[in-house]
Amino acid sequence: AQKVTQAQTEISVVEKEDVTLDCVYETRDTTYYLFWYKQPPSGELVFLIRRNSFDEQNEISGRYSWNFQKSTSSFNFTITASQVVDSAVYFCALSDHGSGTYKYIFGTGTRLKVLA
Amino acid sequence: NAGVTQTPKFQVLKTGQSMTLQCAQDMNHNSMYWYRQDPGMGLRLIYYSASEGTTDKGEVPNGYNVSRLNKREFSLRLESAAPSQTSVYFCASSELVTLNQPQHFGDGTRLSIL
Repeated sequence: AQKVTQAQTEISVVEKEDVTLDCVYETRDTTYYLFWYKQPPSGELVFLIRRNSFDEQNEISGRYSWNFQKSTSSFNFTITASQVVDSAVYFCALSDHGSGTYKYIFGTGTRLKVLA
Repeated sequence: NAGVTQTPKFQVLKTGQSMTLQCAQDMNHNSMYWYRQDPGMGLRLIYYSASEGTTDKGEVPNGYNVSRLNKREFSLRLESAAPSQTSVYFCASSELVTLNQPQHFGDGTRLSIL
């Protein structure tokens, strides 16, 4: 069965600290995609990054970086030098063809609070 | 640059009332989705439409119906609202229903059923 686990319900950090959001997934498919979305207080979900199961290269985009490790089924997200504007709920998601049908599974989200 | 537009943004219903949530996208996307977001449960897929003229059930379809009115619009209907359907509802779209497509979300509709 497909599953996405974000064990950290809420994290609080002080501005300029680094923070890592964990995401662990389960799938039986060999081809799948992983995503991160940000949900700021305004409510809409914003796509941040996509990674396919055959590409384990880490990615850096400004202060954001992602570490994909198939050996541990993890796709973790690090924010360097956090800012108050990073305060949001972050969702990890998995898409695969589980059981022959399209599946897009979200984790339960991690609420990040960055304090000034 | 509207993207995905949902109406209304807020609604309060009484148990047993019916309601249609509207969603429209202006990105010429083929696929559209309805999710509900509940505390501690993330987003769960209610229904999706891979293309105009098709709809399929997601994880939690019971109590809901959908209509893909045209390529732009995808509505969600609650025929007889129940308190368990109190939630925040999100509409999303993507170019296609394929594994690698990110989804673009609306701002959500906060629905309370008394």
